[in-house]
Order: sequence, then C-alpha cells, then structure tokens
Amino acid sequence: ETGVTQTPRHLVMGMTNKKSLKCEQHLGHNAMYWYKQSAKKPLELMFVYNFKEQTENNSVPSRFSPECPNSSHLFLHLHTLQPEDSALYLCASSQVLAREQFFGPGTRLTVL
Amino acid sequence: QKEVEQNSGPLSVPEGAIASLNCTYSDRGSQSFFWYRQYSGKSPELIMFIYSNGDKEDGRFTAQLNKASQYVSLLIRDSQPSDSATYLCAVANTGNQFYFGTGTSLTVIP
Repeated sequence: ETGVTQTPRHLVMGMTNKKSLKCEQHLGHNAMYWYKQSAKKPLELMFVYNFKEQTENNSVPSRFSPECPNSSHLFLHLHTLQPEDSALYLCASSQVLAREQFFGPGTRLTVL
Repeated sequence: QKEVEQNSGPLSVPEGAIASLNCTYSDRGSQSFFWYRQYSGKSPELIMFIYSNGDKEDGRFTAQLNKASQYVSLLIRDSQPSDSATYLCAVANTGNQFYFGTGTSLTVIP
C-alpha cells in the first residue's frame, strides 16, 4: 500500500448504527486530519492530530469521535448519526502541521 | 472575513488557452501556499506548493505568489479538457493552521 488509504470506500448506515472509518498513511507523516465534504460544498476541517495528540476540534458534534492510536492510523467512530451527516469523509496527512497535505480516496457515507 | 477566498466560477476556457485561477488570503504572515485539483466525486490532489514570492513552474502549471498583495494564483497553459475540475487554494497561516478556499470550478471546452 502506498500513500493514504481509507476503508471502507462506501458506507450506508442507519441512524442507530455504530460504525468506524479507518485511515492509514504510509508516508511517514506525523500529522493527520479528518475533513467532511458535503455535496457541492467546500471542505470542512473536523479534527487534527499532531504526533498522536489532538490539536484541533472544529466544534464537531459528539456523535463523531476520533481516535489516533499512532501516527500512521486514524479512526473516526460514528454513532447515532443524522441524515445531514451524509457526505464524503476525507482523511489527509502531512509531514508536519502547515506542510502540504495528501488525501486518501475518501469514504462516501450515507445515513438513512 | 474568510481566511482564504476564491472566485467560485465557473470559469470556462477553450482548449489550448491559458486558465488563470486566483486566490486571496487574510493572514499577512502566512508562509505556505498550495493548489489542489479535485475531480467530481474524488479527493483533492496536490498540484503545486509555493513558499517564496515570485513564480514557480511545473510543466503546464505556474504558481504565482505576491505576499505584499496577499495574492496567489495558478496558471494552466495549453488547457486540456482533462483539466476540467475544481481547483482549491490552501494556505498555512502563522498559527500552523491550514485553510482551504471554497474552490473554483474550471471547464475546458474542446
């Protein structure tokens, strides 16, 4: 595997389900990010981790819970989501903060 | 005031022409500037980054930075239909925060 990978690529879940999104980077980077992109809307930064420590949480609802066990892996745990949470969820990594970010392919999430 | 502003477009250019995409930013101390391309339904792909005033060229792409005017642009020479996408400008400010613009939609007409 190279670059940034994300699984699953597509996810359909009910409002009462619990699911997790996984991101792995193979670039030796130290910073990782979660973004949300709704249809026809700009990127919204959700969470930032730098050397496994969360440095930013952009007022994201608690039904989204991030986890960063090490610098290569990032998870987004989802529970009791709403239909308006349906979007493309993108993971990115960078060598350090403020350097160029590289994106994974994204997880297309649909909440029924 | 938004950290990064872009004209949402759409911008249409004929094949073979030069496409010019513009971006302004609010934090005068920003140090790093990036251009990403995003095809519909896909994730953003880094095209270029620039740190110093002036021009940086990579193939058909040229990034131009003017820190005094807080302005960064991307020129695409010999535009191809495959260049049709949304182009995102991103800026890293003095607080190491990374901001994306809303993107400019480019259509290259064959």
